[in-house]
Amino acid sequence: GENVEQHPSTLSVQEGDSAVIKCTYSDSASNYFPWYKQELGKGPQLIIDIRSNVGEKKDQRIAVTLNKTAKHFSLHITETQPEDSAVYFCAASSNQAGTALIFGKGTTLSVSS
Amino acid sequence: GAVVSQHPSRVICKSGTSVKIECRSLDFQATTMFWYRQFPKQSLMLMATSNEGSKATYEQGVEKDKFLINHASLTLSTLTVTSAHPEDSSFYICSAPGPSMDTQYFGPGTRLTVL
Repeated sequence: GENVEQHPSTLSVQEGDSAVIKCTYSDSASNYFPWYKQELGKGPQLIIDIRSNVGEKKDQRIAVTLNKTAKHFSLHITETQPEDSAVYFCAASSNQAGTALIFGKGTTLSVSS
Repeated sequence: GAVVSQHPSRVICKSGTSVKIECRSLDFQATTMFWYRQFPKQSLMLMATSNEGSKATYEQGVEKDKFLINHASLTLSTLTVTSAHPEDSSFYICSAPGPSMDTQYFGPGTRLTVL
């Protein structure tokens, strides 16, 4: 089955700096890669996703890149703000109806002002 | 976007009792829903896939007789934790694929504490 590795487990940056979180996956059949932000005591919220027919996607300060050959994808947050502090999870699935997401272990991002 | 709700948000129960958690898709239909469990400072672990009108599919190591799942309609799945024990204390989260089928939307979670 699919296995998703995520690094780093914790990341501390100064406000305004960029943050990068990296994930690798094992199943070449996976073709959908979402990123979720989870605040304490809340459910995960989708912040951006990418499908395997695209190499990069950007939404304001957030971007995701995908290297399907190397089986890795990354989240980039620019101009970080204190409210970006949260736990971020990457996930992978095979993009078929009824297929569950397999999550990485999460990255705790702390943005200090 | 698609909205998934859960009820209750928090529940405290005594050891040995059963607890039911509801997961609803509010503005879309979901033939499939997923139940995850999350322990403190850990990732989401898939427990089971809930299928409308048929039996749930459980992940390896998850006891189907302890975690009863019922997906009786296209907008509601329930998870019942039977004979709960303190080690069942966790954050239970459901999700459902939205209209595009691959994007999954998560509920706000249910914090279960078993005394």
